Amino acid sequence: KQEVTQIPAALSVPEGENLVLNCSFTDSAIYNLQWFRQDPGKGLTSLLLIQSSQREQTSGRLNASLDKSSGRSTLYIAASQPGDSATYLCAPGDDYKLSFGAGTTVTVRA
Amino acid sequence: GAVVSQHPSWVICKSGTSVKIECRSLDFQATTMFWYRQFPKQSLMLMATSNEGSKATYEQGVEKDKFLINHASLTLSTLTVTSAHPEDSSFYICSASLGTERKYGYTFGSGTRLTVV
Repeated sequence: KQEVTQIPAALSVPEGENLVLNCSFTDSAIYNLQWFRQDPGKGLTSLLLIQSSQREQTSGRLNASLDKSSGRSTLYIAASQPGDSATYLCAPGDDYKLSFGAGTTVTVRA
Repeated sequence: GAVVSQHPSWVICKSGTSVKIECRSLDFQATTMFWYRQFPKQSLMLMATSNEGSKATYEQGVEKDKFLINHASLTLSTLTVTSAHPEDSSFYICSASLGTERKYGYTFGSGTRLTVV
């Protein structure tokens, strides 16, 4: 069974700082990995999708890296803004489903 | 982009009644849909995988007679919580794979907050 750990559980930073969110997973036999954002009481918004053959994926201020063999992924958010405040979820996918970590709750202070 | 519409966004029901939650893929066909449950400040827990035209596959520990899943078409899956009790109060989210190949990832609905009183 895939176990996903996200560190830290919570993070509070002043506006403008860069964010580093870590994710580790126990089973490296994944097909891909997705990072999601969840606002309170809302569904999930997909941020980045990294295939198992890729090392990183970028979208605007977001960059995600994947080290499949060591079971790690990192999400970088550059120049954080108050609107980035949310819970970020890491989800490695095997051939038929996603597994989720508990998430990192980010607060960006204006 | 691909959108999954989930309704209702919130519902309050009396203990012992049944509640149906709908999940629709708006601009694509979803052969497979997934139903998750999320408790406050916890991760998403996969409840079941719904395949169009066949019976759902339930995860270990999920009561299939309590959480009825129907995937009658390529754009609609429903979750019915039968004889709801306060302990069923939770946030339920559906998801769909974006293609027949997993490499396209998944998209999620906006979730349903169920409160059983």
